[in-house]
Amino acid sequence: QQQVKQSPQSLIVQKGGISIINCAYENTAFDYFPWYQQFPGKGPALLIAIRPDVSEKKEGRFTISFNKSAKQFSLHIMDSQPGDSATYFCAASMSPLGRLYFGRGTQLTVWP
Amino acid sequence: NAGVTQTPKFRILKIGQSMTLQCTQDMNHNYMYWYRQDPGMGLKLIYYSVGAGITDKGEVPNGYNVSRSTTEDFPLRLELAAPSQTSVYFCASSYGGTLYNEQFFGPGTRLTVL
Repeated sequence: QQQVKQSPQSLIVQKGGISIINCAYENTAFDYFPWYQQFPGKGPALLIAIRPDVSEKKEGRFTISFNKSAKQFSLHIMDSQPGDSATYFCAASMSPLGRLYFGRGTQLTVWP
Repeated sequence: NAGVTQTPKFRILKIGQSMTLQCTQDMNHNYMYWYRQDPGMGLKLIYYSVGAGITDKGEVPNGYNVSRSTTEDFPLRLELAAPSQTSVYFCASSYGGTLYNEQFFGPGTRLTVL
């Protein structure tokens, strides 16, 4: 059973466009929602994360929007660049252990 | 700091063989994790450890074993390799706890079982 559901599986965006990836969860005990970025042949790396006491977090061109009542959160990449082409994973965890449950990933391709 | 290092980078095993995937971190993290990544399936937790001498099963532990004798090292043992264990394996570490749980990943080991 997939604890975190992620869509779309793949996404193609033109340079300068907005990339949007969505995730949904069921377990209301989750209290930490990170996004990881993975380039081919590399391990995932933390991109941005949010806790459920805020509805939005922005870091540069990357924004997480969080809707606690709908149990959904999304990643928005503004002004998408070819260098953003990677696989993006959403995840969720709960205190105190903090083990992560990952979505299945979205392969983003940004065309120049 | 090297972060999280994994060896080997690639390995081909025959069915029934065994091997150990090595993982070392130099960040003095208490928590360590092993994941496997299969195409289109995300990352699945195999085993994790919250400190030396303490390990527990994740979502997909069958066919694997771990040990944690030191803070730095967290090897993953495959006994009687099967084709279903063909995957990319990632080790990760974190400080753990409730406040901040960024996991730092190693570069991965690509394993093929034939």
